[in-house]
Amino acid sequence: AQSVTQLDSQVPVFEEAPVELRCNYSSSVSVYLFWYVQYPNQGLQLLLKYLSGSTLVKGINGFEAEFNKSQTSFHLRKPSVHISDTAEYFCAVTKETSGSRLTFGEGTQLTVNP
Amino acid sequence: GAVVSQHPSWVICKSGTSVKIECRSLDFQATTMFWYRQFPKQSLMLMATSNEGSKATYEQGVEKDKFLINHASLTLSTLTVTSAHPEDSSFYICSARDPHGTYEQYFGPGTRLTVT
Repeated sequence: AQSVTQLDSQVPVFEEAPVELRCNYSSSVSVYLFWYVQYPNQGLQLLLKYLSGSTLVKGINGFEAEFNKSQTSFHLRKPSVHISDTAEYFCAVTKETSGSRLTFGEGTQLTVNP
Repeated sequence: GAVVSQHPSWVICKSGTSVKIECRSLDFQATTMFWYRQFPKQSLMLMATSNEGSKATYEQGVEKDKFLINHASLTLSTLTVTSAHPEDSSFYICSARDPHGTYEQYFGPGTRLTVT
C-alpha cells in the first residue's frame, strides 16, 4: 500500500520569502504525484502533477516541485510567496493499479504573514 | 474545461432525516467519480468510488447503507446520507477522474453538511 507523509503541519512565512513544503511517499511501485491547494470552505485545485519525464515540474501560481525517486520525495517550492498563497496544501499519490484512487497526506497549512 | 459542480454548497438538516448531495461534471463525461469526507483541519478521507452504471465501491469502514451512492449517468453522481446524525456533519467533496487517463482528479467545491 502507498502512503504519503507531509512533514510539516504548519508553515508560517513572511511575504516575499521562499517556501518549501515537504512531501515523502512510500510505495513499492511507480507512482504518480500531485500537489493540490485548498482555500477555506472550498474544494481542491490542482497546483501541479508528476506523471513521467522531467523530474522538475512547474505548476500554477509560480509553484514548482521536484520528484526525487531515490529519496521518495516530492517537495513543493515557491521562490517568493504572497499573502494570497495562504491556504492548505495537500500532497497526493496514486498508481496505475489503483484506478486513480488518490492517497492524500495530512496537509500543510501555509500562512503568509505581511 | 474539466469543471465539477456540487449541489447544495451547504445544507442543514435535522437528525433522522436524509439528505442528497449532487456531483456533476459540467463539460466532460465522468465514468468514475469519487466521494470524500473532510473533518475540520484534517485531510480528505476517501469514502467510495462511484462508477457509472454499476455499484459503488466503498472503502473499509464506510457504511454503504448509510451513505448511498448512485451514478446513474456519465455526468451525475449522488451521495445520500440516510438517517443523518450529528456525527455525520462534515464537509463532503466529490471528484471526477480525468477522462483522458492522466490519473488526475477534478474536484467539486464541496458541500458543508450540518446535522442538528
